[in-house]
Amino acid sequence: KQEVTQIPAALSVPEGENLVLNCSFTDSAIYNLQWFRQDPGKGLTSLLLIQSSQREQTSGRLNASLDKSSGRSTLYIAASQPGDSATYLCAASFSGGYNKLIFGAGTRLAVHP
Amino acid sequence: GAGVSQTPSNKVTEKGKYVELRCDPISGHTALYWYRQSLGQGPEFLIYFQGTGAADDSGLPNDRFFAVRPEGSVSTLKIQRTERGDSAVYLCASSLGGPTGNTIYFGEGSWLTVV
Repeated sequence: KQEVTQIPAALSVPEGENLVLNCSFTDSAIYNLQWFRQDPGKGLTSLLLIQSSQREQTSGRLNASLDKSSGRSTLYIAASQPGDSATYLCAASFSGGYNKLIFGAGTRLAVHP
Repeated sequence: GAGVSQTPSNKVTEKGKYVELRCDPISGHTALYWYRQSLGQGPEFLIYFQGTGAADDSGLPNDRFFAVRPEGSVSTLKIQRTERGDSAVYLCASSLGGPTGNTIYFGEGSWLTVV
């Protein structure tokens, strides 16, 4: 069964810290992996999309990496800010079902001043 | 606005009733998706449309759930004989073309509560 797991489930850090969110997946036949942000009561906002042929993507203070062989992706957030507080979701599409994203349960991040 | 629009934003219905949830995708997006999200969980795939046709409906949990997209733009998710376990946020998303290389844009969801 294709699964996506995220750890930790929740994280609280002081403002300014660099932090890493982890995502693991069970199938190395991955098409792409995406990181999303979800604010309370809101929909999802796409942050970064990594194709299976890529190893990382960067956008501003965010950097996401993809290691297919180990079945892992990490989202690195530099110099965290209170406005980064949200739930971060990792989602992957796999062989045999490229059109559907399989999501992890998310990491709930709180950045306090 | 130019984003994915979903109506209603909130719906409370009695067990056994019929419910329709509507999604207006971003103009020009040929791909449309429905997902369902329960509290504390990530979204679960329900169905994917490419144009007017359901290219993959493998995520629909049972035959009480049905979705249409008759003109290739607006989609309606229909739930018959609702059950309390159907309570969740129903998220619609769209993308330009298929999902493999395109950013997917989500709406804010329709919160369904079955009492």
